[in-house]
Formats: sequence, structure tokens, C-alpha cells
Amino acid sequence: GENVEQHPSTLSVQEGDSAVIKCTYSDSASNYFPWYKQELGKRPQLIIDIRSNVGEKKDQRIAVTLNKTAKHFSLHITETQPEDSAVYFCAAKTGANNLFFGTGTRLTVIP
Amino acid sequence: NAGVTQTPKFQVLKTGQSMTLQCAQDMNHEYMSWYRQDPGMGLRLIHYSVGAGITDQGEVPNGYNVSRSTTEDFPLRLLSAAPSQTSVYFCASRVLTGEQYFGPGTRLTVT
Repeated sequence: GENVEQHPSTLSVQEGDSAVIKCTYSDSASNYFPWYKQELGKRPQLIIDIRSNVGEKKDQRIAVTLNKTAKHFSLHITETQPEDSAVYFCAAKTGANNLFFGTGTRLTVIP
Repeated sequence: NAGVTQTPKFQVLKTGQSMTLQCAQDMNHEYMSWYRQDPGMGLRLIHYSVGAGITDQGEVPNGYNVSRSTTEDFPLRLLSAAPSQTSVYFCASRVLTGEQYFGPGTRLTVT
């Protein structure tokens, strides 16, 4: 099956700085890469996604980049705010349509 | 739409007891799945279904059964609960090529 690795496991940044979270995947047939944000005690919620035919996607302060050759993708959050503090998960969807998740990054934005 | 719903929200079981976690969605999604979330391990796929009458195993299926008699419902059965099954369980659904939506989760403790 797919193996998704995510780094770092924890990340602290000053408010206004940028945060970058990186993931790698193993299955070259994976074709869809979503990112989820999970606040304490809540369900994971999709914040941005990218498909394998696209190299970069932006949505306001959030961007995702994908390097298919290297099998890695990254989440970039600019101008971080305290409400960005949460656990972020990357995921990869295989050809069999299953979504496999990384182990999560706990982001803390320090005011 | 209620989206994805799960019951119960919390459950405490004794070792050896059985129970069923309920999951329902009202979005007519073909794909439904169950994940467990443990600290530091992300979300791991237990079982999934691509349509009524079709189920298959994910990464960590041992000790769990599922069935999919209707498009809407996808219950998860714990056959004989063990302390290792203490976790937060999330049900999810989506169309095959679309965004995955999660239910609110069930926090299960096995003593």
C-alpha cells in the first residue's frame, strides 16, 4: 500500500512568519494530494488539495506544491495567524481510491 | 444536509465486549471508510466500501468487521474489544474522485 511520511511533527512559528510542512509518498500511481486541518477535539477538514497534473495551487495564504518526480508535496502557509494553530495532515490517494495519511504536524503560531 | 454523522460520541467498553459504531451520510456518496486516530500515528484506514454490497480491508482491519447494505450506512463492528482498540474512530465519505468528508468521531475507551 501507500506510505506517506510527514515532517516536521511539531512546528512553532511567530505570528506573521511562514510555515512549511513537507510530505513524501511511495506509490507513483497516487494522483490526488489533499491537506487537512484538525483543531483540538474536532474532525479533520480539507483546506487545500492538488491533483497530479498540477504543480502548484494557491488559495489566499495557503499554497501546495507537488513534485511528482521526487514524490513529494508541501504545504506553505504565509502570514501565519494564531487561528492557524492546529494539527495538519497530508494525504495521498492511490489508484485504488484509498486515502492514506501522514502522521501529522502540530503547528503552533506564537502571538 | 446533515453530512456524515456518527454515534455514539463516546463509549467505554470492557475487554471482550462487542459493539457497533454507527455511521451515516446523506450525500449519496459511493465511497465510505473508517479510520482510527492514535497519537503520533495519524489516521489509519480500517475498512472501506466503494458501494452498497462491497467492502474491503484497509491497513489495520484485524478485530473489526463492516457491512454496507445501503448507500447511506456503514457500521463498524468490534467483535471482542481489546485495550489496543482504544482510539478515536472517524467515518468518512466522498464521491470516488472528490473531497473526503469526515464525521465528528467516536472516542472509544476499552478497559
